[in-house]
Amino acid sequence: NAGVTQTPKFRILKIGQSMTLQCTQDMNHNYMYWYRQDPGMGLKLIYYSVGAGITDKGEVPNGYNVSRSTTEDFPLRLELAAPSQTSVYFCASSDLATTDTQYFGPGTRLTVL
Amino acid sequence: GEDVEQSLFLSVREGDSSVINCTYTDSSSTYLYWYKQEPGAGLQLLTYIFSNMDMKQDQRLTVLLNKKDKHLSLRIADTQTGDSAIYFCAEKGNQGGKLIFGQGTELSVKP
Repeated sequence: NAGVTQTPKFRILKIGQSMTLQCTQDMNHNYMYWYRQDPGMGLKLIYYSVGAGITDKGEVPNGYNVSRSTTEDFPLRLELAAPSQTSVYFCASSDLATTDTQYFGPGTRLTVL
Repeated sequence: GEDVEQSLFLSVREGDSSVINCTYTDSSSTYLYWYKQEPGAGLQLLTYIFSNMDMKQDQRLTVLLNKKDKHLSLRIADTQTGDSAIYFCAEKGNQGGKLIFGQGTELSVKP
C-alpha cells in the first residue's frame, strides 16, 4: 500500500491564480481530510469528507473547495490564491470502523506571492 | 469549544527521559493521540489511548491519561537524537472523525 499520496510536493502561485492539490489514498478509507499547517501552529481542518459524494466544512474553509467523486480521491481547489493561503497542506484519511487513526500524506508546500 | 493546549518547546539531553504534556477540553473524547512530525514530513501516528484507560506503554513510550484533569502526557524513555521532532497531541472531536490538534511541542535532544 502506498497509503496517502499528495501532489505536488511544492508549488509557487501568483496572487489570483488557481490550482488543485491532489490527494489519493489506497486504504479504502471512508473519511478523508484536508488540513493546513502554518508555522508554529497546529493543524487546522479545512474540509472533510465522510464518503464519496459527501463533503463538509471544517474550521477554515474560506477560499477553498473540495469534491469527492470516488473513495480514493479528495482534491482541494484554490480558486483565487491569496498570500494568506501560503501554508503546508496535509491530506489524511481514516477508517471509523477501527481506532479512527488518521494517516497523513507527506504534504504540499504552497507559497503565494 | 474544543481546544487542545501544549507547551511549545522542550529540550533534553540524550539518554534522559522526555515528558510532553497536553491538556484538552472535550470530556467526551473517545480517543487521544500522539503524532510525531519530523522536519519536512507529514504527521506519523506514534500511539493512541482509549479514554477508558489510564496508561498505555509501547516500548520506550508511555502515555498517561488523567480524565479528571483532562491531562495527557507522553513520556519517552532513553531519549535519542532521532527523537528530535515536533510532537502533536490530538483528541477526537464530537463530529465524525475530526481531530483537534494542539500547537505541537518541539523536542530538541542534545548529545
